[in-house]
Amino acid sequence: QKEVEQNSGPLSVPEGAIASLNCTYSDRGSQSFFWYRQYSGKSPELIMSIYSNGDKEDGRFTAQLNKASQYVSLLIRDSQPSDSATYLCAVSLGGSYIPTFGRGTSLIVHP
Amino acid sequence: NAGVTQTPKFQVLKTGQSMTLQCAQDMNHNSMYWYRQDPGMGLRLIYYSASEGTTDKGEVPNGYNVSRLNKREFSLRLESAAPSQTSVYFCASSERTGVHEQYFGPGTRLTVT
Repeated sequence: QKEVEQNSGPLSVPEGAIASLNCTYSDRGSQSFFWYRQYSGKSPELIMSIYSNGDKEDGRFTAQLNKASQYVSLLIRDSQPSDSATYLCAVSLGGSYIPTFGRGTSLIVHP
Repeated sequence: NAGVTQTPKFQVLKTGQSMTLQCAQDMNHNSMYWYRQDPGMGLRLIYYSASEGTTDKGEVPNGYNVSRLNKREFSLRLESAAPSQTSVYFCASSERTGVHEQYFGPGTRLTVT
């Protein structure tokens, strides 16, 4: 039973819009949270890690963590067609040092 | 730095054949992992090695064996391939136990007929 949940999508947004990707997890004791981007036919690539409640910004990407509500989200500002990919959420459940991956959300940014 | 490398990139096996997937990293990472990725299933952990000399089962270990040959290399062996093992296999590494950020190799696409 997967304990990291993501909407599989696809999420379709126009170029220049904000894309919002969400992830929920089952274990309140989780401490480490990650977002990976995976282009079709390629391997996952780490985008962001977040460990504390609140927002963490890196360029056009913002990760938001709310441990009380057990969700983590990724916002992509000024979305570009090159952002079209599958976004994987990974959570170190219960303090495990091995993250559990969600099934990913497919994002399509159309011109 | 090449990061994490995997060989081969593609492989076709017949049911019952055996093969070894190779993985190497040049980042001096202590921990290494093998995942499989199937459509709609996400990444599932097969085996991992927290440090040189140790290996442990993950979520889906049946039908696989692993060897942590040294700090750089971690191989995955299929002793008797089955069609259910058709998948894309990714090797990953992380700096050390407790550091969770993983870096992935390019993957091996395996088809078992």
